Order: sequence, then C-alpha cells, then structure tokens
Amino acid sequence: AQTVTQSQPEMSVQEAETVTLSCTYDTSENNYYLFWYKQPPSRQMILVIRQEAYKQQNATENRFSVNFQKAAKSFSLKISDSQLGDTAMYFCASSSGNQFYFGTGTSLTVIP
Amino acid sequence: GAVVSQHPSRVICKSGTSVKIECRSLDFQATTMFWYRQFPKQSLMLMATSNEGSKATYEQGVEKDKFLINHASLTLSTLTVTSAHPEDSSFYICSARGVGHPFYEQYFGPGTRLTVT
Repeated sequence: AQTVTQSQPEMSVQEAETVTLSCTYDTSENNYYLFWYKQPPSRQMILVIRQEAYKQQNATENRFSVNFQKAAKSFSLKISDSQLGDTAMYFCASSSGNQFYFGTGTSLTVIP
Repeated sequence: GAVVSQHPSRVICKSGTSVKIECRSLDFQATTMFWYRQFPKQSLMLMATSNEGSKATYEQGVEKDKFLINHASLTLSTLTVTSAHPEDSSFYICSARGVGHPFYEQYFGPGTRLTVT
C-alpha cells in the first residue's frame, strides 16, 4: 500500500504572492504517478497537475509547478501569483495500478 | 471531454430507507469506476472499485451489504445505501477511468450529499 502525508492542514497566502504546499509519500512501487487535486467549495475535484515518477523534470501548468524529489519521496506544489480563485482544499495523491491514495488535504485561503 | 455526472446532487432520506446514487460517464466509456466517501474537511476515502460487468471490490471495513454497487454498463454505476442511518450521512463522490484514456487518469463526478434524518 501507499501512504500520502500532507503536514499542513491550513495555509494562507496574500493575493499575488507565492505559496508552497508540502506532500510526502511512501511507496514500494517503481512505476507510479503523483497528483495534486483542488477541491473548491463546490466540492468538485479538479486535477491541478500530474507528475510521472519516471520523469525527472518537474511538471508545470501555468502558475502551478511541482518540486519532485524522488529520493526523498517529496512532491510539493508551488502556486505562483496566487488568485482568490485558488482558495480551496488541495489534495496530494499517488497512484500505481488501479488505486489512488489521497493525503489528508491542505486548506488554502488566498487573502485579498 | 471526460465528464462524469452524479445524480442526485443532494438527497435527504429517512432512517431505515434505501437510497440510490447514480454515476454516469457522459462522453466516454468507463471501464472502472470508484466510489469515495468524504466527511467534512477530511480526505476522500475509497469505498470500492467496480469494473463493468463484474462484482465490486470493497475496501476493508466497508460493509458490502450496506453499500451495494452495481456497474451494469460502461457508462453507469450505482451506489445504493441500504437501511440508511444518520451515520451514513456524508458526501459521496464517484470517479471513472475511461476506455482509450491513460490508465492513470480518473475523472470525478460532482458528488452527492446524503443526509439521513
């Protein structure tokens, strides 16, 4: 089984600033994927970014980027130029095969 | 593309009754569907995995007879909460993996809020 740990239950950031959300995971698999999902107040899960474990290059999606440290089993999310619409729960997840494992989430509030 | 719907979005039922939640893949065929439960301000807890035409695989601690899952077609899976009790009140989310889509992608429905009175 895999475990995903998010050690920051709540975070806040000023609008237009940068914030980093932490995630660590544990897996014995060689081939796996890592994800960050956003869950706004509507509760709809939205994929923010995905990282294939076999790729060394960090994934980026516009204002969102990750710092993937495979040896340390760390997968942090950086949000640049934070916007009010970024206010949401953020879940880190890992997947290998048929199952997804979610972290406990980080509640991010962007302050105007 | 890759839209998943759930119906109903909200449901209130009385204790002891059963309620059915539908999960549909609207524009793709779903080989596998997942059902999650989410308590307020908590993470998603996987309840079961269902493959079209076969029995669902339940996670440890999930009562199979209470949470009946049927994946009868490539576009529809249903979760029936039988003899519901107030402790079953929660937010239920389904997700789906699609034919022709990367195996690591799962597409989430908008969720169903169940309240048992």
